[in-house]
Amino acid sequence: AQKVTQAQTEISVVEKEDVTLDCVYETRDTTYYLFWYKQPPSGELVFLIRRNSFDEQNEISGRYSWNFQKSTSSFNFTITASQVVDSAVYFCALLRGYNFNKFYFGSGTKLNVKP
Amino acid sequence: ETGVTQTPRHLVMGMTNKKSLKCEQHLGHNAMYWYKQSAKKPLELMFVYSLEERVENNSVPSRFSPECPNSSHLFLHLHTLQPEDSALYLCASSQTASGSSYNEQFFGPGTRLTVL
Repeated sequence: AQKVTQAQTEISVVEKEDVTLDCVYETRDTTYYLFWYKQPPSGELVFLIRRNSFDEQNEISGRYSWNFQKSTSSFNFTITASQVVDSAVYFCALLRGYNFNKFYFGSGTKLNVKP
Repeated sequence: ETGVTQTPRHLVMGMTNKKSLKCEQHLGHNAMYWYKQSAKKPLELMFVYSLEERVENNSVPSRFSPECPNSSHLFLHLHTLQPEDSALYLCASSQTASGSSYNEQFFGPGTRLTVL
């Protein structure tokens, strides 16, 4: 069975702190894709990144970075020098490689960045 | 309009009412989705339409009835809902890929539904 676990329900940090959001996934598929989405208070989920199971390279995009480790089935997301605008709920998701129409979402981590 | 739009943004209805949620995507995608987001629960996939045909229906009660008249529009018809159906209903679209490609979903802003 497929499953995505985001153990951190809510995290609060002070602006400029670094913060890491954890994501652990379960799948027996050899081909799969991992995603992170951001949901600000407005409600719309905003796509941040996708990774396929054959690409374990870490990625950095500005203040955002992602650490994909197949050995621990984790796809963690780090925000460096957090800002108030980063406050949102962040979702990790798994897409099975042979079923492009089915996503498995984690329960989300609410990030509060205080000034 | 760009991206995925949803109307209305907020809806309050009684249990005996009939209403419809509308979703429109302007991205040229061929797959559309309805999700339900309740407080403190993971996103629940309700329906998937690919090439205007329903391909997934995750045991959703019959009081929710989807309609996909074309690849750009998706409706969710609601009737005799229950208070526990109150949630944020999100629409998404994607381009169904083939082979070893992949596709992310693009989401609309959602409709906040309250059932009294």
